[in-house]
Amino acid sequence: TQLLEQSPQFLSIQEGENLTVYCNSSSVFSSLQWYRQEPGEGPVLLVTVVTGGEVKKLKRLTFQFGDARKDSSLHITAAQPGDTGLYLCAGRFGIGSDMRFGAGTRLTVKP
Amino acid sequence: NAGVMQNPRHLVRRRGQEARLRCSPMKGHSHVYWYRQLPEEGLKFMVYLQKENIIDESGMPKERFSAEFPKEGPSILRIQQVVRGDSAAYFCASSPGQLGGYTFGSGTRLTVV
Repeated sequence: TQLLEQSPQFLSIQEGENLTVYCNSSSVFSSLQWYRQEPGEGPVLLVTVVTGGEVKKLKRLTFQFGDARKDSSLHITAAQPGDTGLYLCAGRFGIGSDMRFGAGTRLTVKP
Repeated sequence: NAGVMQNPRHLVRRRGQEARLRCSPMKGHSHVYWYRQLPEEGLKFMVYLQKENIIDESGMPKERFSAEFPKEGPSILRIQQVVRGDSAAYFCASSPGQLGGYTFGSGTRLTVV
């Protein structure tokens, strides 16, 4: 079964703190993506990673893809209230296959 | 989410009625995906379509649910004889090909009363 597990499920922090959320699978991803979803809206793509060991930065967000392409992390530096939302990882397990989503990490950043 | 249009945004149906959810993909995108989301949960894959073809419907219940993406017009997700358990947010996404990220619509929130 190709399951994606995300942790933690919920995270509540103060503005200015750093945080890391994780996405893991027992299967190898052909590609992995991170999305952010706000209440009442659809997910918005943040990044796509395809190469094992790849690191991508998007302002205060750093995305890392594991060497074995079975795991990924999202690190946010100096979190802001505007970072509040549901962070979803999604992966393809084969070229051309559709994407499967994890249950998400619900982040709350308090001012 | 600009570009993928879903309508209606909110839909209320009585038990036993039919629900029709529409999705117009981004211009130039020929791949459409439907997902279902319950409160406090992630997205559950339902069906993947290309123009006039169902590519993967492994996530869609065998009964009462159907999807199409005709040559002309939007993709339609149809739920017949709705039950309370069908209440959820239904999201459509599109992509230009089999690789790369998806662009999501804002979803249709179905409430069955």
